[in-house]
Amino acid sequence: GAVVSQHPSWVICKSGTSVKIECRSLDFQATTMFWYRQFPKQSLMLMATSNEGSKATYEQGVEKDKFLINHASLTLSTLTVTSAHPEDSSFYICSANAGVSGSAYNEQFFGPGTRLTVL
Amino acid sequence: LAKTTQPISMDSYEGQEVNITCSHNNIATNDYITWYQQFPSQGPRFIIQGYKTKVTNEVASLFIPADRKSSTLSLPRVSLSDTAVYYCLVGESSGSARQLTFGSGTQLTVLP
Repeated sequence: GAVVSQHPSWVICKSGTSVKIECRSLDFQATTMFWYRQFPKQSLMLMATSNEGSKATYEQGVEKDKFLINHASLTLSTLTVTSAHPEDSSFYICSANAGVSGSAYNEQFFGPGTRLTVL
Repeated sequence: LAKTTQPISMDSYEGQEVNITCSHNNIATNDYITWYQQFPSQGPRFIIQGYKTKVTNEVASLFIPADRKSSTLSLPRVSLSDTAVYYCLVGESSGSARQLTFGSGTQLTVLP
C-alpha cells in the first residue's frame, strides 16, 4: 500500500523555540494532506487540511499563526509549531489520501506520527 | 459528518473471535464505513471499508445491516498483537480527499 513518512519521529525542544515536522507521501502524489494531534489516551483531533499550492484550512480553535502549514509539493507538507510551549507537547500525525479519482474506494494513509515534547 | 458510538473498551482471549459494533444512526446515503487500528505511538492503520452487507479481507470482516445504522467489525481468532484501539468512521467516500473525524474508539485488550 501507499506509504506516508514523517520526520522526525520524536523531538524535544525548549519552550519558545519553533519545530518543523515533515510529512511525505513516498510513492504517490497527494494534493491534500491532513494534520492531526493526539493527546495521551485521547482520540485524534483534526487540526488542519493542507492543500498543495494554496493556504491550509484550519479547524476551529487551531491558531493558524502558531501552527504554520506549508504544502510545498505534491509529496511534502510541513507543520511548524512556532514558539512552542509545554501545552503543545503532543503526538502529531499526518495523513494523505491515495484514492483513485472517480473510484468509490477511498483509503487514507497515516504517517507514523511525531512525538513533540516541549520543556 | 455522522457521529459514531463505540464501546470504550473490550477484553478478549487469544484465539477468540472479537466483534466490535459501532452505531451511526445519522449515516448519510453517500457515507462509507471505515475501520482503523491504532497501536500506541503509531499512526492509525486502515483495516477495512464497506458500504453495505458484508465485506471481508485477509484480516477482518465488516458486517453492515440493511439500514446501515450500525456496523460490526469482526476479528477472527485474535492474538496478543491485536491489542490496540479500533476506530469506526463514517463519511463520504467520493474518491477525492476527505477529512476524517475520529470518535473515541474501542480499546481492545487481548489476554493470554
